[in-house]
Amino acid sequence: GEDVEQSLFLSVREGDSSVINCTYTDSSSTYLYWYKQEPGAGLQLLTYIFSNMDMKQDQRLTVLLNKKDKHLSLRIADTQTGDSAIYFCAESPSGGSYIPTFGRGTSLIVHP
Amino acid sequence: DVKVTQSSRYLVKRTGEKVFLECVQDMDHENMFWYRQDPGLGLRLIYFSYDVKMKEKGDIPEGYSVSREKKERFSLILESASTNQTSMYLCASRREGYTDTQYFGPGTRLTVL
Repeated sequence: GEDVEQSLFLSVREGDSSVINCTYTDSSSTYLYWYKQEPGAGLQLLTYIFSNMDMKQDQRLTVLLNKKDKHLSLRIADTQTGDSAIYFCAESPSGGSYIPTFGRGTSLIVHP
Repeated sequence: DVKVTQSSRYLVKRTGEKVFLECVQDMDHENMFWYRQDPGLGLRLIYFSYDVKMKEKGDIPEGYSVSREKKERFSLILESASTNQTSMYLCASRREGYTDTQYFGPGTRLTVL
């Protein structure tokens, strides 16, 4: 079945760039998503990329997709303490019930 | 803005009790989902519903049931709560079609004593 892998933790200093990586196994994935979960809250969609794109930029966020290697990354420029959260990668298959598969989430800790 | 609400943010129940978790969305979405979230395990799908009165098992349906009598409301039922069901429960909704993102509620943290 589909699998989405992420590292569990990332620690950065305020002002640095953060890069959160994700790998997936389903080559038929059509959409890939990044969600953010702040403490005590539900998941909020940050951005998504369609599988025929290799990059998407939205203000401080840059998503890179390497479809050949099935690797997705989220870069946050000028990371702030308010960016501290859990970041989930998810992929949506092109068939079946289109139920997305989520990674386990990466806890981003930003130090002042 | 899409709004997904869950009936309780925090809930404490005793082993063996019947527990109802309610989720309501206000955007006329066809699809609704229940997940549980545990540290290090991410989100695991319990049940989902394509539309009213329709339901499908997810990855971990054991010990749970669901009800969708109205389009806006999706209920998760723990028939006899057990301590291993202590978790964060997240509800989500989505408009029909795989290109659409899911919208999540704030979550219910359930503790079973």
